[in-house]
Amino acid sequence: KAGVTQTPRYLIKTRGQQVTLSCSPISGHRSVSWYQQTPGQGLQFLFEYFSETQRNKGNFPGRFSGRQFSNSRSEMNVSTLELGDSALYLCASSRAILGLAGGPSNEQYFGPGTRLTVT
Amino acid sequence: EDKVVQSPLSLVVHEGDTVTLNCSYEVTNFRSLLWYKQEKKAPTFLFMLTSSGIEKKSGRLSSILDKKELFSILNITATQTGDSAVYLCAHAGGTSYGKLTFGQGTILTVHP
Repeated sequence: KAGVTQTPRYLIKTRGQQVTLSCSPISGHRSVSWYQQTPGQGLQFLFEYFSETQRNKGNFPGRFSGRQFSNSRSEMNVSTLELGDSALYLCASSRAILGLAGGPSNEQYFGPGTRLTVT
Repeated sequence: EDKVVQSPLSLVVHEGDTVTLNCSYEVTNFRSLLWYKQEKKAPTFLFMLTSSGIEKKSGRLSSILDKKELFSILNITATQTGDSAVYLCAHAGGTSYGKLTFGQGTILTVHP
């Protein structure tokens, strides 16, 4: 079974621009979560989508947004890029059977990430 | 807000040693605790521990969850250089358990 895929793998942008990152979950997985990883802050949760609806949101400014399509693929967008947005952006997918607390369906599997550099 | 703290932050051992990595958590409503291994790429899933599954083992790796004392440990026996990585602990919370709150990670270095 193919794993989580993310595109592009590397991206260089300048301040003020916007960027869109894409994530395709494992086949059959309905939940996609996004994370930002930096050396200073570690791995931080951005948001989670399930059935095209945002279920959870982390403490990031409104410049960070996302969406999920009917085939469970997800995109995240960062507008008005700042230098501090340079990071590894990871997405993770899980089967996420609602109501089934803490079961194997909630195991999250990560994609390879998109390395974003803002200059 | 959920909080996950790992210790030690870094550890250097020699091949063959046994290591114990610690993860303590303060969360509003415990769901499950996950362990990941991260080398120079994305985190790879190791274990998930829940109220109904407090002990897991896979080869040389094992993990237990103590819900009373609010911590988990990851044990690696007979370490190998390939075990060198950052080990991450995370609590899965949120309305659909899709929100992982990570600890800072433990950097494990295994020397030959």
